[in-house]
Amino acid sequence: DVKVTQSSRYLVKRTGEKVFLECVQDMDHENMFWYRQDPGLGLRLIYFSYDVKMKEKGDIPEGYSVSREKKERFSLILESASTNQTSMYLCASTLDRFRQPQHFGDGTRLSIL
Amino acid sequence: AQKVTQAQTEISVVEKEDVTLDCVYETRDTTYYLFWYKQPPSGELVFLIRRNSFDEQNEISGRYSWNFQKSTSSFNFTITASQVVDSAVYFCALSEAGDNYGQNFVFGPGTRLSVLP
Repeated sequence: DVKVTQSSRYLVKRTGEKVFLECVQDMDHENMFWYRQDPGLGLRLIYFSYDVKMKEKGDIPEGYSVSREKKERFSLILESASTNQTSMYLCASTLDRFRQPQHFGDGTRLSIL
Repeated sequence: AQKVTQAQTEISVVEKEDVTLDCVYETRDTTYYLFWYKQPPSGELVFLIRRNSFDEQNEISGRYSWNFQKSTSSFNFTITASQVVDSAVYFCALSEAGDNYGQNFVFGPGTRLSVLP
């Protein structure tokens, strides 16, 4: 069965800290995604990656960076966390960005104090 | 650019009522896929169904059914005899063939369904 694992369900950090959110999938999927979900705004794409070491900006990349050193792992980095980055973060992966559904992790609820 | 609209922000029904969640999409591609996802209170999005643009056949899976109509660019989701466990946020999504490296997948804003006992 498909499995996408996010390293933390809940995370609390302080303003200015560098924050790492980790995501691992066990399906050998080429494509991985990071979204943030806020009330009333739905899912907004931050970054995605279609291959190792490849990355593309989504709709809201400002304040974030990503790393894809291995196929199974896609990391989201908040370079200097700010309170407006408090949100639910969702990682997803898919074998085919067009034909196949995305499979999601459980999400990380991040609070920046 | 592609777009997905879910006009119903929140719906409340009483258990055993039927409920339809609307999804309207925009795309210039002739080849595309439509998806529905469920996000229960636990947070994980769960894939429910996929439909490609060449297959307008409606689908039924237990109490769930989907109505795809290209003429109105709609892909509506009906839950028959709703249950409390159906309470969740439901997302409709669209993917286009696009180019090999662009962003070709978009989610609607979601509809929060509350089924009251």
